[in-house]
Amino acid sequence: NAGVTQTPKFQVLKTGQSMTLQCAQDMNHNSMYWYRQDPGMGLRLIYYSASEGTTDKGEVPNGYNVSRLNKREFSLRLESAAPSQTSVYFCASSESYRGRLYEQFFGPGTRLTVL
Amino acid sequence: GNSVTQMEGPVTLSEEAFLTINCTYTATGYPSLFWYVQYPGEGLQLLLKATKADDKGSNKGFEATYRKETTSFHLEKGSVQVSDSAVYFCALSTSGRYSSASKIIFGSGTRLSIRP
Repeated sequence: NAGVTQTPKFQVLKTGQSMTLQCAQDMNHNSMYWYRQDPGMGLRLIYYSASEGTTDKGEVPNGYNVSRLNKREFSLRLESAAPSQTSVYFCASSESYRGRLYEQFFGPGTRLTVL
Repeated sequence: GNSVTQMEGPVTLSEEAFLTINCTYTATGYPSLFWYVQYPGEGLQLLLKATKADDKGSNKGFEATYRKETTSFHLEKGSVQVSDSAVYFCALSTSGRYSSASKIIFGSGTRLSIRP
């Protein structure tokens, strides 16, 4: 049981390049999330997917797109990377049911640097 | 809107000292409250949680009590160890009425360093 896995672990991009961060979970969770972590700012939600086939914007969605490929996989795409997107990106998943609040399980993170 | 405020770090203590990390929140409705811990180079792990007022969450010697009257969820440990050195995040979880996703709002984190 691997939990939440993310690839790659590290990535360096030049301004304007594109890339996709991959995330997969094997806990059969309905909901998945992408966060970015910047020094002194905690974690901020970029996008989330309440269930397979749905995605919604979080707090800081600009410059990103997501795809919920199936129940297991939720990818984050940067179409044209900017230095302001230098950050550590975390994927998370949780069980979900309307009105019930569940903990989230996190992946190990992807450290992205945009030059 | 919903928010979490926690004490700024870094916090440096000697081994076996008593630890308190303050956390207060603002939320509508009845959120669940969490403490997550992040060890160097790793993702966040749930440390403990409380789902209703007066609940006490506990794990690995850490405790926190959900205080609705003071909107607080302070983290405490009676005797810290070097292995407790990490960043600690207070968080609250809300569930929208028409959404089944549990959205978590995190505090900015408190870095804790324990000296041998």
